[in-house]
Amino acid sequence: ESVLTQSPGTLILSPGERATLSCRDSQGIGGRSLAWYQQRPGQAPRLLIYSASTRAAGIPDRFSGSESGTEFTLTISRLEAEDFAVYYCQQFDGSRWTFGPGTKVENK
Amino acid sequence: QVQLQESGPGLVKPSETLSLTCTVSGGSVNSGSRYWSWIRQAPGKGLEWIGYIFYTGMTKYNPSLKSRVTISMGTSESHFSLKVTSVTAADTAVYYCVQGATYAMLWGQGALVTVSS
Repeated sequence: ESVLTQSPGTLILSPGERATLSCRDSQGIGGRSLAWYQQRPGQAPRLLIYSASTRAAGIPDRFSGSESGTEFTLTISRLEAEDFAVYYCQQFDGSRWTFGPGTKVENK
Repeated sequence: QVQLQESGPGLVKPSETLSLTCTVSGGSVNSGSRYWSWIRQAPGKGLEWIGYIFYTGMTKYNPSLKSRVTISMGTSESHFSLKVTSVTAADTAVYYCVQGATYAMLWGQGALVTVSS
């Protein structure tokens, strides 16, 4: 069973700063099925990135995803007010979906 | 474009069965090689995948819930449903229906289900 670990748990930044979020995959399944979601308070999550680095339709290019071994990174190049939210990574291992515990990006 | 909407009772008694329906507008659950999933989120917690159904009717469930969960196609081409039996307070959550095979590309707005007597 794949376990996804996200760090940090909370990231406290100001608008305009760069955010770097990490997601580690315990089983090294690979990025083909790694996705990132954003969840604003009171809203359903929305898909940001799939296949580790492909932006979903309508997602601004300040969001980018990358992969290095078993570590996946979501980068927000310059935070805007609407980016303060919780971010989840998720993977499919061939038989089940697994979510990471989330990283909260807070406004300093 | 395709939109998803969950519906069902907001309050279920312990030991009873939770039943939710997802209405798919702008598309059909029976075509297009599509997967349809249910995901839930307990209050203040993270996301938990419940399971999916393929348009052929094939299903896969989270092993932790498998003995209590059934996902099925609806009676029309616009619906699929979720049943969770023998519910407890731990099943209190917002339940989302989503479309996607290996990731959730499209989400419903979610339906809060509270388990309480």
